[in-house]
Amino acid sequence: AQKITQTQPGMFVQEKEAVTLDCTYDTSDPSYGLFWYKQPSSGEMIFLIYQGSYDQQNATEGRYSLNFQKARKSANLVISASQLGDSAMYFCAMREDPYSNTGKLIFGQGTTLQVKP
Amino acid sequence: EPEVTQTPSHQVTQMGQEVILRCVPISNHLYFYWYRQILGQKVEFLVSFYNNEISEKSEIFDDQFSVERPDGSNFTLKIRSTKLEDSAMYFCASTRWAKGLNEKLFFGSGTQLSVL
Repeated sequence: AQKITQTQPGMFVQEKEAVTLDCTYDTSDPSYGLFWYKQPSSGEMIFLIYQGSYDQQNATEGRYSLNFQKARKSANLVISASQLGDSAMYFCAMREDPYSNTGKLIFGQGTTLQVKP
Repeated sequence: EPEVTQTPSHQVTQMGQEVILRCVPISNHLYFYWYRQILGQKVEFLVSFYNNEISEKSEIFDDQFSVERPDGSNFTLKIRSTKLEDSAMYFCASTRWAKGLNEKLFFGSGTQLSVL
């Protein structure tokens, strides 16, 4: 079973508008962390935002915010006031087991966002 | 900001040849990773490395793969006998601390491996 599911392979948004990228996750661990990364066409992976399972408030970082609905196991990324430079692939990722010696992230399939001028 | 560096950025090789992908993690980081991404697809975990040994590996990381930290600064991924399906972008990543949940991984810019 997929641990992280991103159901939108591609999205379009008009410049200056807000867009929501969906992410659902599957874990039985009560402690987990959720991350979003951006991958522009140049290929690098850029960290955007983090949400912990015990965090009471939704995370925000500038124009990025996370709509965290724990009971629904969803952690959707909201980008406000889209810019042309936001065109990229976006990955949702999860870390489980805070006591492990691994710390690996498990990634979803990604969503390609295109911002139209 | 410190960064993870990977070399080369592109590598072309013939099927059956050995390749070594190189990475220099951030200097005070203790946990190292290799991920791969087949064109346009998800980023897949290959292996994690801590305290000079593999801490976890995925099913993809079979006997053809090995990792090494030869000199305290470099972290390498070796593919012994490349196959066509090894063609992918390979990302190195590092983090200072893996215990806990909020330590992000810092990724390098990747090595695009093409096996012909």
